[in-house]
Amino acid sequence: QKEVEQNSGPLSVPEGAIASLNCTYSDRGSQSFFWYRQYSGKSPELIMFIYSNGDKEDGRFTAQLNKASQYVSLLIRDSQPSDSATYLCAELSGTSYGKLTFGQGTILTVHP
Amino acid sequence: EAQVTQNPRYLITVTGKKLTVTCSQNMNHEYMSWYRQDPGLGLRQIYYSMNVEVTDKGDVPEGYKVSRKEKRNFPLILESPSPNQTSLYFCASSLTGFLTGELFFGEGSRLTVL
Repeated sequence: QKEVEQNSGPLSVPEGAIASLNCTYSDRGSQSFFWYRQYSGKSPELIMFIYSNGDKEDGRFTAQLNKASQYVSLLIRDSQPSDSATYLCAELSGTSYGKLTFGQGTILTVHP
Repeated sequence: EAQVTQNPRYLITVTGKKLTVTCSQNMNHEYMSWYRQDPGLGLRQIYYSMNVEVTDKGDVPEGYKVSRKEKRNFPLILESPSPNQTSLYFCASSLTGFLTGELFFGEGSRLTVL
């Protein structure tokens, strides 16, 4: 069983809409979670990390963590065509320090 | 410029011919890691290193070796490459293994094993 699950999409939203990306994880001991964005042909780059239950906002991005339900989500408000990319969710193991597990990624397309 | 440098960026080789993909970072980061990325499977961790002389297996270590003799370098060694190791490889580093900061990725190395 994969430890981090994402819907691979593609998820298509119109420009200006809210894009909602979801991720579930199986390791209850995991403490830290990360969202990376990867443009086609490029390396992943960090958008946000979160380790407390609740919401964390940074500009147009909001990460949400619910440890009881074991899910993490990323909301992108006022989506722009430049947000079109693959979004990768990752968890840092709570027991094997340094072991970072990624989901398979969700492809997001924002159309004008 | 702060960066993670991988070489080679592209390589086509044949089964069984040993190869090394180098990775170097100039940010004095303690933590370094190797990933492979395959369609539909996302990024999978091969090996990671919390600091010099400290390495540990990730999720898919079979067929790979690493060493961390100096803080800045973390080479990935394929002793006897096989076609199932054809993939896009990323090296990454972070200030600490607790990843409270950003994980910086190299540009990737695309390897084809015939």
